[in-house]
Amino acid sequence: GENVEQHPSTLSVQEGDSAVIKCTYSDSASNYFPWYKQELGKGPQLIIDIRSNVGEKKDQRIAVTLNKTAKHFSLHITETQPEDSAVYFCAFRRRYSSASKIIFGSGTRLSIRP
Amino acid sequence: DAGVIQSPRHEVTEMGQEVTLRCKPISGHDYLFWYRQTMMRGLELLIYFNNNVPIDDSGMPEDRFSAKMPNASFSTLKIQPSEPRDSAVYFCASSFRRFNPQPYGYTFGSGTRLTVV
Repeated sequence: GENVEQHPSTLSVQEGDSAVIKCTYSDSASNYFPWYKQELGKGPQLIIDIRSNVGEKKDQRIAVTLNKTAKHFSLHITETQPEDSAVYFCAFRRRYSSASKIIFGSGTRLSIRP
Repeated sequence: DAGVIQSPRHEVTEMGQEVTLRCKPISGHDYLFWYRQTMMRGLELLIYFNNNVPIDDSGMPEDRFSAKMPNASFSTLKIQPSEPRDSAVYFCASSFRRFNPQPYGYTFGSGTRLTVV
């Protein structure tokens, strides 16, 4: 079925430390895995994504890793800063023939302690 | 580009009243999605359109909810009659299908916070 589990639901880290958020999906036909960041009062914003033929992707302080065998993917934020505080959502897209439907995880509220 | 534009930003209405939420997608995008966000259920996909045609409305909770997309630059989500449990933030998102490199990223609007009293 269509489901993705996201952990943890809340995460607090010291400024400068790393943060890791993990997601597990159930559908082996999934082929696209984006991560979204939602700041207070705003809509979710795409920050990084990865396709199923790639194991890791990095963009400055943000990286995403994908393990297709285990069906899980993770978001890594290094050298965290106050502006990283937000709710982060993992998501996946199943390979349909003509659809573009993305399923979202339940979210992780990340707080950066000064 | 101004991004995905939603209106109103906030809506407070009495139970039983009709509510209409509006969305203007990014020009050139051919997919439009309506999501509802609550603390209990997170981000729920209600319905999505491709080239103005509804593709999947399985997430629409009840017949009280309806959505239309009369043209490529405008969509509405209507609730009639509204109930207190409809209180949530409603997001509209749009995307377009490219073949390379990443076809599926969504751009979300800022949302409409609906409160039904």
